[in-house]
Formats: sequence, structure tokens, C-alpha cells
Amino acid sequence: SQTIHQWPATLVQPVGSPLSLECTVEGTSNPNLYWYRQAAGRGLQLLFYSVGIGQISSEVPQNLSASRPQDRQFILSSKKLLLSDSGFYLCACLSLAGSYNEQFFGPGTRLTVL
Amino acid sequence: GQNIDQPTEMTATEGAIVQINCTYQTSGFNGLFWYQQHAGEAPTFLSYNVLDGLEEKGRFSSFLSRSKGYSYLLLKELQMKDSASYLCAVGEAAGNKLTFGGGTRVLVKP
Repeated sequence: SQTIHQWPATLVQPVGSPLSLECTVEGTSNPNLYWYRQAAGRGLQLLFYSVGIGQISSEVPQNLSASRPQDRQFILSSKKLLLSDSGFYLCACLSLAGSYNEQFFGPGTRLTVL
Repeated sequence: GQNIDQPTEMTATEGAIVQINCTYQTSGFNGLFWYQQHAGEAPTFLSYNVLDGLEEKGRFSSFLSRSKGYSYLLLKELQMKDSASYLCAVGEAAGNKLTFGGGTRVLVKP
């Protein structure tokens, strides 16, 4: 079965500091990978998705970037965090066990920017 | 682009039925997904509709009308553990992307 690891689980960072969130997937190869952000009490906003190594599609303009250096590794970065970057960051991939191309989510990273 | 609307919050009594509506306007459609998300946790997949009609999975059912851009999730025999947010999402073929609504928080009271 597939497993998604995300770290760190929680993070508190000052405004203007850099960011690196990591997502790794086990139990699958060449997965589609997705980064979402969820603000408090809100739905999920798709930030980036990747269909293969080095292939990144950005969904919304912002001060975040993503990279996929390896098949099962997806990284979300920022050079300078803003207060509005606070939220719950979720990595997802297409579920191997699913029948409908549903997405399977990792445990998430809760980021607070102060 | 996609525009997805669902109520912000609903309250129901244990043992009762609750229906969560979702309306959408989309430029491309590749299925309608429902996810459950408990507070502080990641969403988990509940159901999928791509053709019109009702899909039943135990206590949960989901309905789709593509011509009306409308779906609902029906939760029967509510249990306290059903207190969670329920997210409606429209699928897009390109990249198998999902666009989510804002979620409906359901509070089940004894």
C-alpha cells in the first residue's frame, strides 16, 4: 500500500524567513503529486502539481515554489514567508487502491508565520 | 475555472439524516468527489460520481445531476464520530486535478 510522509508536522516561522516542506511517497512509482494549502476553516487550494520528475505546474501566483528532484519526492519552498502563508499544507497523490482516480493525502504540515 | 458552493455549517442530531448540497460551475468536468476531514487531520475519500444518479455506500450516499451542476452527500443514522467537515471537489481530466469547495462543517449533537 502507498504511504505519504510529510515533515515537519508543525512549524512556526518568522515573517521573511525561508521555508522548505518535504513530501515523500512510498509504495508507488511515477505518481502524480499535489501540494494544497488549507487556511483555517476553509477548503483546500491547489498550489502545485507534478506529473513527473522536474515537471511542475503552478496553479496560483504566489511567493511559493515547488520542485520534484526525485520520482517520489515533492518539495515546497519559499525564500521569504508572508503572514498569509500560514495554513495547513497537504501533499497528495493519486490513490493506488482507488477505482476513481481519487487523491490520497499525507498527514500535513501546519505552518504558522508570525 | 471552477466555482463550487456548499453551506458553511450544519447541525443535526445523533441518529438523524443530514443532506449536504454542493453546486458547481465548471469549464471541464471529470467527476464529483466527496471527502471527509476531521479537525486537524487530512481529508479522506468518501465517494465519487461521474454519471447522473445516486451512489450508495453504507450510511453514506452521494447524488449527481450534471445538467444542474448539483450534487449532495447524504449521511444517514448519524453518529457522533460523523462530526467533521465534508468537502465537495470537482475533478478535472488534465493532471487529474481537484478543485475543492470551502467545506461544510457538520456537528452531530446527542
